[in-house]
Amino acid sequence: DADVTQTPRNRITKTGKRIMLECSQTKGHDRMYWYRQDPGLGLRLIYYSFDVKDINKGEISDGYSVSRQAQAKFSLSLESAIPNQTALYFCATSDYGDYGYTFGSGTRLTVV
Amino acid sequence: GQQVMQIPQYQHVQEGEDFTTYCNSSTTLSNIQWYKQRPGGHPVFLIQLVKSGEVKKQKRLTFQFGEAKKNSSLHITATQTTDVGTYFCAGSNFGNEKLTFGTGTRLTIIP
Repeated sequence: DADVTQTPRNRITKTGKRIMLECSQTKGHDRMYWYRQDPGLGLRLIYYSFDVKDINKGEISDGYSVSRQAQAKFSLSLESAIPNQTALYFCATSDYGDYGYTFGSGTRLTVV
Repeated sequence: GQQVMQIPQYQHVQEGEDFTTYCNSSTTLSNIQWYKQRPGGHPVFLIQLVKSGEVKKQKRLTFQFGEAKKNSSLHITATQTTDVGTYFCAGSNFGNEKLTFGTGTRLTIIP
């Protein structure tokens, strides 16, 4: 099994729909992150959490929310999806000290 | 906020040629990391540099961290088809431990 599992792998949704992307990890890491990848823009941080009771906005949090249900689970929600949220979304984890993130396989989201 | 830029955005090289990507930060970094993302894949951690002027090697890959800790480079000697992918640098600031990723350099190898 993968260390960081994202579900679903692919999703097509309609504008205005609520959608949740899920991430679970078996690394035992406290720190979890959600990134968005768009061509030519690299990886941009949406939200991050350094422990279960800690939630922080990243550089592009508008239109997104997150929930840290447990140390191993960190979900990302789009309350009302819009077409410019079409992107590849990655969840990642790290241990204290930022020594290398472990990424999930990604969720490719298309909003039509 | 912190910005991390990489150049070039794309690089096409003949197999066997060398390849270099450069990373520049708008602020001084506490450390810099490098990742590789294969086509259709996810970023995979390669290495972390922490010290000013640090140089690390992994087989054909050489990583450097600038003296001012604001820039870094990745050099691949004698590229192979397995080197295809996008290379990202990512840095964090002192006291702010989240990573800011660069825009990436996409390497294509011509056999």
